[in-house]
Amino acid sequence: AQSVTQLGSHVSVSEGALVLLRCNYSSSVPPYLFWYVQYPNQGLQLLLKYTTGATLVKGINGFEAEFKKSETSFHLTKPSAHMSDAAEYFCAVSFSGGYNKLIFGAGTRLAVHP
Amino acid sequence: GAGVSQSPSNKVTEKGKDVELRCDPISGHTALYWYRQSLGQGLEFLIYFQGNSAPDKSGLPSDRFSAERTGGSVSTLTIQRTQQEDSAVYLCASSDRTGKNIQYFGAGTRLSVL
Repeated sequence: AQSVTQLGSHVSVSEGALVLLRCNYSSSVPPYLFWYVQYPNQGLQLLLKYTTGATLVKGINGFEAEFKKSETSFHLTKPSAHMSDAAEYFCAVSFSGGYNKLIFGAGTRLAVHP
Repeated sequence: GAGVSQSPSNKVTEKGKDVELRCDPISGHTALYWYRQSLGQGLEFLIYFQGNSAPDKSGLPSDRFSAERTGGSVSTLTIQRTQQEDSAVYLCASSDRTGKNIQYFGAGTRLSVL
């Protein structure tokens, strides 16, 4: 069975500070991994994905994540937070290949203060 | 269309009534997914359709929930005899044939059962 754990339901950072949102997964088969962002009253927007190949993946808005198989982690980082980054972030996993449901973590709400 | 379209954006209904939620996927996307987002349960998979294959209904919470996809495009999620615990945001997503399972989400339908 697959599962996703996001450590910290709320994270608060200062503008310009490093953003680190943690995600650990459990999967019996090679996973596909995703980070989505949700702004208030909107749907989910894909930030970045890992499917195969390079383990460090870059996404939109300056975010990146590294797939670490040995640690079963896929943490999301951004070197310098911006006020517009305030949103809820979801890590998700699916079976690799084809069409499969996404299994989501509980989400982390990021607050950015001046 | 340019993105996944869901209607209505908001729906208020009385307990015991039936509701229909509509999803229009991205043109050419063969897979369509329904998820539910609620405060207590987070993001949960409900059902998905892929081409002409039998849908994966494993996430439907009860037999009051059903969905169909006509002509391989538009999908309707029907909830019969609505209950207050059905109040949630219902999200639809679609993905294409590349096999990377990248799902694009609509803005959702917010259902409130009074």
